[in-house]
Amino acid sequence: GAVVSQHPSWVICKSGTSVKIECRSLDFQATTMFWYRQFPKQSLMLMATSNEGSKATYEQGVEKDKFLINHASLTLSTLTVTSAHPEDSSFYICSARLLAGVVEQYFGPGTRLTVT
Amino acid sequence: AQKITQTQPGMFVQEKEAVTLDCTYDTSDPSYGLFWYKQPSSGEMIFLIYQGSYDQQNATEGRYSLNFQKARKSANLVISASQLGDSAMYFCAMREARNTPLVFGKGTRLSVIA
Repeated sequence: GAVVSQHPSWVICKSGTSVKIECRSLDFQATTMFWYRQFPKQSLMLMATSNEGSKATYEQGVEKDKFLINHASLTLSTLTVTSAHPEDSSFYICSARLLAGVVEQYFGPGTRLTVT
Repeated sequence: AQKITQTQPGMFVQEKEAVTLDCTYDTSDPSYGLFWYKQPSSGEMIFLIYQGSYDQQNATEGRYSLNFQKARKSANLVISASQLGDSAMYFCAMREARNTPLVFGKGTRLSVIA
C-alpha cells in the first residue's frame, strides 16, 4: 500500500519560534496533499489543500500567513507554523491523495506539536 | 452545516460481541464516498472500509461491515467479534466529488471490555 511519512513525529518549541513539518509520499507521486489539525479528543479538521506547484487553498478561519504550506515537488509538502503560540499546540496530520483504488487519501502518522 | 454526524461519543462492548457505530451524513451530491477510519492512541489513521454512493451492496472487510441505508443517509459500521485491540477512536468520513478532501465526523471512542 501507499506510504506517507511525516517528520518530525513530535516537536517541542518555544513560543515565538517557527516549526516546519514535512510530509512525504514514499512510493507514489501526489499532486494533492491535505493538512489536518486535531486537538485532543476532537476530530480532524481540514486546514488546507496543497497542490504541487501552486498556492495552497486554506479553509475558512485558517490563517495562511501563520500556517505556510509549500508543495514544491510531487512527493513533498511542508507546513511551517510561524511565530508559534501555545494555542497552536496540536496534532498535525498530512494526507496524500492517490486516485487509484478505493482508499484515495493516505495519511501520515502525524506530528505532535507542543509550544511552551 | 455538519456533513457527518456521529452521535455516540463513547461506546462499550464486551469482547467477542458485535457493536454498531452510528454515522449519518448530509450531501446533495449524487456521487460520494463514505469511509471509516480507526485511530488508536498512537494517532495513526487506519483505513477500515469504504462505501460508494452507487454501490448496490453493503461493503464488508473481514470483521468490518458497513450498513449503508442510502435513503436514510446512514452508514453505520458494524464490528463483529470485538477484540481488545479494537479499542480506539473511530471516525466516519465522507468525500463528495472525487477530487475533494475527506470531511470527518466527531468520532466515537470504542472500549472493548474483557
